[in-house]
Amino acid sequence: EDKVVQSPLSLVVHEGDTVTLNCSYEVTNFRSLLWYKQEKKAPTFLFMLTSSGIEKKSGRLSSILDKKELFSILNITATQTGDSAVYLCAVDNYGQNFVFGPGTRLSVLP
Amino acid sequence: EPEVTQTPSHQVTQMGQEVILRCVPISNHLYFYWYRQILGQKVEFLVSFYNNEISEKSEIFDDQFSVERPDGSNFTLKIRSTKLEDSAMYFCASSEIRDFGTQYFGPGTRLTVL
Repeated sequence: EDKVVQSPLSLVVHEGDTVTLNCSYEVTNFRSLLWYKQEKKAPTFLFMLTSSGIEKKSGRLSSILDKKELFSILNITATQTGDSAVYLCAVDNYGQNFVFGPGTRLSVLP
Repeated sequence: EPEVTQTPSHQVTQMGQEVILRCVPISNHLYFYWYRQILGQKVEFLVSFYNNEISEKSEIFDDQFSVERPDGSNFTLKIRSTKLEDSAMYFCASSEIRDFGTQYFGPGTRLTVL
């Protein structure tokens, strides 16, 4: 069965802290892994990763994929209260399914 | 900026009734998707649609569900004989190519089945 697992499920930090969110997966026909940020309604796209070892970066956010160990991490440096959200990891299981993980709820306190 | 729109924003229905959720994808997009998110749970992929037919669907997307592109702009999700457990937020998305990374999500329709 296709599976995407995220950890931790919930995280509380203070502004300025650095956080690392984890995503591991087991799917039959991996094509890509995607990270989203979900605040109130629809998820908003952050990164898509297809190759191992290549870091994607956008401002204070970065992400990397390890296709051998079947996981990805999302790093957020110098966190701000506006980073508070649920961060979703999803895997494109090509031709079959698009599987989301349960999300990590990040709360950044002032 | 182009956007995907969904109507209604909130739909309340009685158990056993049929509902149609409507989406207007971005005009030059060719791939369309539906997702659902039961309150407090993870986002679940339902179906993708291309060239007037379903291209991928999950196990959730059973005979109770159907999708249609009735005209050049709308993309609909029909849920027949709704059950209490169909209560969820339903998101539509569209993309120009089959690429989940370039999807635009709509704001969602909250479906409440009583």
